[in-house]
Amino acid sequence: QSVLTQPPSASGTPGQRVTISCSGSSSNIGSNNVNWYQQLPGTAPKLLIYTNNQRPSGVPDRFSGSKSGTSASLAISGLQSEDEADYYCVAWDDSLNGAVFGGGTQLTVL
Amino acid sequence: QVQLVESGGGVVQPGTSLRLSCAASGFTFSSYPMHWVRQAPGKGLEWVALISNDGGDKKYADSVKGRFTISRDNSKNTLSLQMNSLKLDDTAVYYCARDYFADYWGQGTLVIVSS
Repeated sequence: QSVLTQPPSASGTPGQRVTISCSGSSSNIGSNNVNWYQQLPGTAPKLLIYTNNQRPSGVPDRFSGSKSGTSASLAISGLQSEDEADYYCVAWDDSLNGAVFGGGTQLTVL
Repeated sequence: QVQLVESGGGVVQPGTSLRLSCAASGFTFSSYPMHWVRQAPGKGLEWVALISNDGGDKKYADSVKGRFTISRDNSKNTLSLQMNSLKLDDTAVYYCARDYFADYWGQGTLVIVSS
């Protein structure tokens, strides 16, 4: 059972906009920044969004992040087949004094 | 370019020890905190440990506290994870990652704990 809650799966058709949620509490998302990672099959995770809504260099602007209260969201617009991957949110938890990941969301492009 | 290369994984029996290493290159290693993150087969990511850039501050997940020790040698650009009293549940791919954001990751090294 992960401290941060993500839907186990999401799907969309090419060109569509998809949103993945990440729900936490006051000790993690409510008081710290959220990062998002994309993990393609058989590869290491890749940083997609940091500090809630910042994109590293090279990440397409189709990917965007937001945070409100104790929840965060990752939005992917103009969905492409290569976006099919697992997506994870993470935040620092002040009560646990450690980082906590969401359980991951498997995105399928139909 | 930033490169992180983990090594030291293998098959070990429960209760034994293993030491993982992460060789860093392409950046000023001593300027960045470093993480270990693991992923059990078919499962999600689990944060394991964090060490500050100078090694003076270390944090651990409850699941490994008292058994694992994170350390670094800034003169050799190397991050380490000493794993003692290994359990079946420690079976995973172990990744090292750079900075609080974990902006760069290695390819991982597989640890299998099996009797």
